[in-house]
Amino acid sequence: DAMVIQNPRYQVTQFGKPVTLSCSQTLNHNVMYWYQQKSSQAPKLLFHYYDKDFNNEADTPDNFQSRRPNTSFCFLDIRSPGLGDAAMYLCATSSDSTSGSADTQYFGPGTRLTVL
Amino acid sequence: EDQVTQSPEALRLQEGESSSLNCSYTVSGLRGLFWYRQDPGKGPEFLFTLYSAGEEKEKERLKATLTKKESFLHITAPKPEDSATYLCAVQPLRDTPLVFGKGTRLSVIA
Repeated sequence: DAMVIQNPRYQVTQFGKPVTLSCSQTLNHNVMYWYQQKSSQAPKLLFHYYDKDFNNEADTPDNFQSRRPNTSFCFLDIRSPGLGDAAMYLCATSSDSTSGSADTQYFGPGTRLTVL
Repeated sequence: EDQVTQSPEALRLQEGESSSLNCSYTVSGLRGLFWYRQDPGKGPEFLFTLYSAGEEKEKERLKATLTKKESFLHITAPKPEDSATYLCAVQPLRDTPLVFGKGTRLSVIA
């Protein structure tokens, strides 16, 4: 089945120690997203890519960076994780169409990040 | 400012007790409205996309409807496995991010 895969599912890091989360997709979608979701809150968009065009949300901290080396893969780098960065990180994909209708975003299972 | 509001925040139902979840929105445009189901510790699972007022979609015990101001997710004869948080999101315009509601946490008791 076509899907969005995230690795690892659980990541534990130390305060200030860089960490990289990965996402891959077999849907062949050209748009990929990274969201942060804290407990009992809605997902918050950090970045998205239309193909290789990078879009950074205005309030995404500089501590977060992203890379998309090809259509299938996308990475989220947290340069110096703080306690406030502990959250679920969700990757999503969609197929950007030029029609007037919205394109559904499909989410991966998420990576739960713990910062000690 | 685009806003999506879901109510109630939490809902507890007996098995078989039908009910509806509400998603009201104030947005600059409506390119699409999405319903997702999210289980604890997992990513949101896509349920429905609605594009225009009057549209309805069904899947098993769930039925989503859309008006110009709100959407409803109707749950008919729910089972305990329907327990989850249900998220509503709107994409106002092309190239704009989804605006999410805070979700409704549904518990179905056997």
